[in-house]
Amino acid sequence: QQPVQSPQAVILREGEDAVINCSSSKALYSVHWYRQKHGEAPVFLMILLKGGEQKGHEKISASFNEKKQQSSLYLTASQLSYSGTYFCGTEYPPTQGAQKLVFGQGTRLTINP
Amino acid sequence: KAGVTQTPRYLIKTRGQQVTLSCSPISGHRSVSWYQQTPGQGLQFLFEYFSETQRNKGNFPGRFSGRQFSNSRSEMNVSTLELGDSALYLCASSFYRLAGGTDTQYFGPGTRLTVL
Repeated sequence: QQPVQSPQAVILREGEDAVINCSSSKALYSVHWYRQKHGEAPVFLMILLKGGEQKGHEKISASFNEKKQQSSLYLTASQLSYSGTYFCGTEYPPTQGAQKLVFGQGTRLTINP
Repeated sequence: KAGVTQTPRYLIKTRGQQVTLSCSPISGHRSVSWYQQTPGQGLQFLFEYFSETQRNKGNFPGRFSGRQFSNSRSEMNVSTLELGDSALYLCASSFYRLAGGTDTQYFGPGTRLTVL
């Protein structure tokens, strides 16, 4: 049930682009993306709901492909501040309104000057 | 608005002891979820509380329990601590969740528990 993230780690130079994928074997209801820096709490980036929508925040955007049960996070023209571990949290069709996020193992992103 | 706060930030216990961790959600948030984060297992869901009721539970043994108070503050308790319970325990709050809806979870800084 845990989603699979790929790649597990990526090293970029400042200004390069990156794509992080999150795949599930079960039908998804939503995908939540977080970034966590070492020693800090995960910080919310965005939520994608089923329907194939794409969202963006500055140079970070994401898409949700319902057919493939996959979400992708796109980081464009990466900045040093983008370094950290990115987690996708998947949510399956909810019951009784309860919320439970199942997180992937994370993708460690390192941006070098 | 103040963010999610967790106390204590660091805790050292020995095997067999019990521990209580506290979480104060963002003002107005009624849902509190708890997660365990370890290098090997990643972020794992423990349980979620809404209006003092546990609505969802992860796959953890009964030694892990929690509760929520009328002011939405939440506590989690781990009894008979084991070495494997060493982890960062994160609490996340969200405003409200209608059946069929979803909501953003905001994480606190966590409590780092070390079991010796």
